[in-house]
Amino acid sequence: DVKVTQSSRYLVKRTGEKVFLECVQDMDHENMFWYRQDPGLGLRLIYFSYDVKMKEKGDIPEGYSVSREKKERFSLILESASTNQTSMYLCASRRGMINQPQHFGDGTRLSIL
Amino acid sequence: DQQVKQNSPSLSVQEGRISILNCDYTNSMFDYFLWYKKYPAEGPTFLISISSIKDKNEDGRFTVFLNKSAKHLSLHIVPSQPGDSAVYFCAASARRSNYKLTFGKGTLLTVNP
Repeated sequence: DVKVTQSSRYLVKRTGEKVFLECVQDMDHENMFWYRQDPGLGLRLIYFSYDVKMKEKGDIPEGYSVSREKKERFSLILESASTNQTSMYLCASRRGMINQPQHFGDGTRLSIL
Repeated sequence: DQQVKQNSPSLSVQEGRISILNCDYTNSMFDYFLWYKKYPAEGPTFLISISSIKDKNEDGRFTVFLNKSAKHLSLHIVPSQPGDSAVYFCAASARRSNYKLTFGKGTLLTVNP
């Protein structure tokens, strides 16, 4: 079974802080993704990575950056947190750029005060 | 512009009956479709997928139907069980975009005992 682990289930931070969300997968998957989920908006792609040190912007990259120094780990960075970044953040991984499902972690509920 | 639409925010069904969840898409390049189930405070779980070369795929109680001419897919759950109560997301992807997923906004299914 694929295991995608997100470091925190719940996180509370203050406006202006730099926030790091960590994600680790144990299946040697090439592709990794960061989404946010908001009520009534579904899942929206923030950033994704096809391989180590590679990254591409998704649909809503503004205010975020990512880091992928090792194949198993993909970090999402909020450079200067704002209240509109309060959301559920979901990490996913997938083997290769093929028609296979993405596997998700359990999410991080982030609140920015 | 929303490329994947789930027009019913919610659906309520009696235990033992059929649940039918619908999804429409606009992008004719989409060639791989998936359904995910999501419980509160958990990540989405992959349920079933279908490639555009097929019009039906079955896995136990779950069947996905694809009508390419109508750009419509549906998920049938037979028989429905209370444990099926969750939010269901439809997702679509295209080979030319490296199978990046575009999600609908989700449908909350409630199965009443």
